[in-house]
Amino acid sequence: EVHLVESGGGLVQPGGSLRLSCAASGFTFRNYWMSWVRQAPGKGPEWVANIKQDGSEKYYVDSVKGRFTISRDNAKNSLYLQMNSLRAEDTAVYYCARDQSGIGIDVWGKGTTVTVSS
Amino acid sequence: DIVMTQTPLSSPVTLGQPASISCRSSQSLVHSDGNTYLSWLQQRPGQPPRLLIYKISNRFSGVPDRFSGSGAGTDFTLKISRVEAEDVGLYYCMQATQFPLYSFGQGTKLEIK
Repeated sequence: EVHLVESGGGLVQPGGSLRLSCAASGFTFRNYWMSWVRQAPGKGPEWVANIKQDGSEKYYVDSVKGRFTISRDNAKNSLYLQMNSLRAEDTAVYYCARDQSGIGIDVWGKGTTVTVSS
Repeated sequence: DIVMTQTPLSSPVTLGQPASISCRSSQSLVHSDGNTYLSWLQQRPGQPPRLLIYKISNRFSGVPDRFSGSGAGTDFTLKISRVEAEDVGLYYCMQATQFPLYSFGQGTKLEIK
């Protein structure tokens, strides 16, 4: 069974940093694009970033460009999101998600909560 | 960027009755490969989103056949033939035509009358 388990969320002050991690299991991680998607309280999902199988291509939503960095370690079946210069509007549940060719996002983790507040 | 707009924002439905949710995209979702990458997601209270339908009308693994999708171009519909209590939650449309960029609708809340 496919599993995605996020960790690393928490409370951070504006301007601070956090690193999110996602542990993948139940599928051949290195064969898939992977995404981070966030959902602010009471809002719909917002795609944040994704990364190609070998890490050679990375894409970001405009609001996080220059502040967030997505990366992966295929040997560890892990996905990461380094978040710097955090703002109040980054407060959300962050989901790790698998990109399935021909479908889009097909599997979601349970999410980790990031709260940016002083 | 493609903007996804859903209607209605809230849908009170009687158990056993049908329900319908619409989604409109700001531009055609027909990809250059001929496919249309429009998905529907369900989010039950306190849970992550779950894929229900992909490429307009294909049910994902384990999804009951009371869920169906239709549409073309910029207009799409999710239908539930007979609403059950477990169907309560939020429903989102999502486009993957612009992959690697994705966008989502703002959501429709399905609730029982």
